[in-house]
Amino acid sequence: SSELTQDPAVSVALGQTVRITCQGDSLRNYYANWYQQKPGQAPVLVIYDKNARPSGIPDRFSGSNSVNTASLTITGAQAEDEGDYYCNSRDSSGNLLFGGGTKLTVL
Amino acid sequence: QVQLQESGPGLVKPSETLSLSCTVSGVPISSYSWSWIRQPPGKGLEYIGNIFYSGSTNYSPSLKSRVTISVDTSKNQFSLRLSSVTAADTAVYYCARVILTGYNRHFDYWGQGTLVTVSS
Repeated sequence: SSELTQDPAVSVALGQTVRITCQGDSLRNYYANWYQQKPGQAPVLVIYDKNARPSGIPDRFSGSNSVNTASLTITGAQAEDEGDYYCNSRDSSGNLLFGGGTKLTVL
Repeated sequence: QVQLQESGPGLVKPSETLSLSCTVSGVPISSYSWSWIRQPPGKGLEYIGNIFYSGSTNYSPSLKSRVTISVDTSKNQFSLRLSSVTAADTAVYYCARVILTGYNRHFDYWGQGTLVTVSS
């Protein structure tokens, strides 16, 4: 199916490591990208093509992929990492897909 | 520095056509592919469609019958038209640049977004 599934919410203690996952059949064939969105702001690309970081994104953000599941890992989460995270990929018809989003709370 | 800026009416009546433009600065629009994405209040992101640098388009299956995306190279702008709108089309509409890496796609630059409300 052409869907990407994310957990609605995840929490992490300050300075600890958190993994946010995205599951979908399309991820068997295509890379996942990850976006961070803070309230009232546009999304910001944090990981693309599975594990590449745009300029300016801290190296505590990393991505990985296993079969039909992509993961975004934040190693040493900071207060400013709180926000919504969306995965995105494509299907075989070229349609672009978004996951439903995961709300990350840093405790 | 790539910048994108959406513009258009913030209020559209039901059954009418929503029209938005995205002005691109910093790069020639004909060299890249571009996309529209929307986000209903309090909800997640939804892909609307792309226009590729070749001029071809791809639209979300759920919106395909109502959507047109076009480019005006003379203004370095691309546009969205969504016909027969209902309250369900109320959303923040974003324009974004699409980067193609092999078979993969990602959005590297986004506009700030513009809220469009459908109401009589």
